[in-house]
Amino acid sequence: AQKITQTQPGMFVQEKEAVTLDCTYDTSDPSYGLFWYKQPSSGEMIFLIYQGSYDQQNATEGRYSLNFQKARKSANLVISASQLGDSAMYFCAMRESRSGSARQLTFGSGTQLTVLP
Amino acid sequence: SQTIHQWPATLVQPVGSPLSLECTVEGTSNPNLYWYRQAAGRGLQLLFYSVGIGQISSEVPQNLSASRPQDRQFILSSKKLLLSDSGFYLCAWMGADRNSGNTIYFGEGSWLTVV
Repeated sequence: AQKITQTQPGMFVQEKEAVTLDCTYDTSDPSYGLFWYKQPSSGEMIFLIYQGSYDQQNATEGRYSLNFQKARKSANLVISASQLGDSAMYFCAMRESRSGSARQLTFGSGTQLTVLP
Repeated sequence: SQTIHQWPATLVQPVGSPLSLECTVEGTSNPNLYWYRQAAGRGLQLLFYSVGIGQISSEVPQNLSASRPQDRQFILSSKKLLLSDSGFYLCAWMGADRNSGNTIYFGEGSWLTVV
């Protein structure tokens, strides 16, 4: 079974509008972390935001916020006031406590976001 | 501050030729190090990780190998490349101490085309 599911292969949003990118996850670990990365066409992976499973409040970083719904196992990324430079591929990722000292991430398949002028 | 570099950025190699991608991290000690591969239009697949010098764990059986000869150096190699080895390779690091943060940071990536 997929551990991280991103059901939107592509999304379009008008400049200055808000957009939500969906991410659902599957784990039986009580302790885990959820991450979002941005990958522009240059290829580099840019860390955006992190949410721990025990965090009481939704994470926010500037125009990025994470809508964490633990019971639904969803961790959607909300980008407010979209800018043309936000056009990129966005990946959701999870680290489970069972990964031990390796602490590696498992990634979803990504969502290609295009911001329209 | 910590930085990560990997090279070469782009390479085109014939089938059957060797491969060496190198990654170094600065500004930290004893980091966890990772090699991920991204096929065109796909997500990232973990290939190898290392929690210390000489300690390499492989996640998937494949034509590639990894080595960590120094604390902050991670090398991805192949003796004979296959067409299926083409892709985008990303090196990444994370502080091994749980108190040092939870985030994995990536290098600039290396585009490999096997022809």
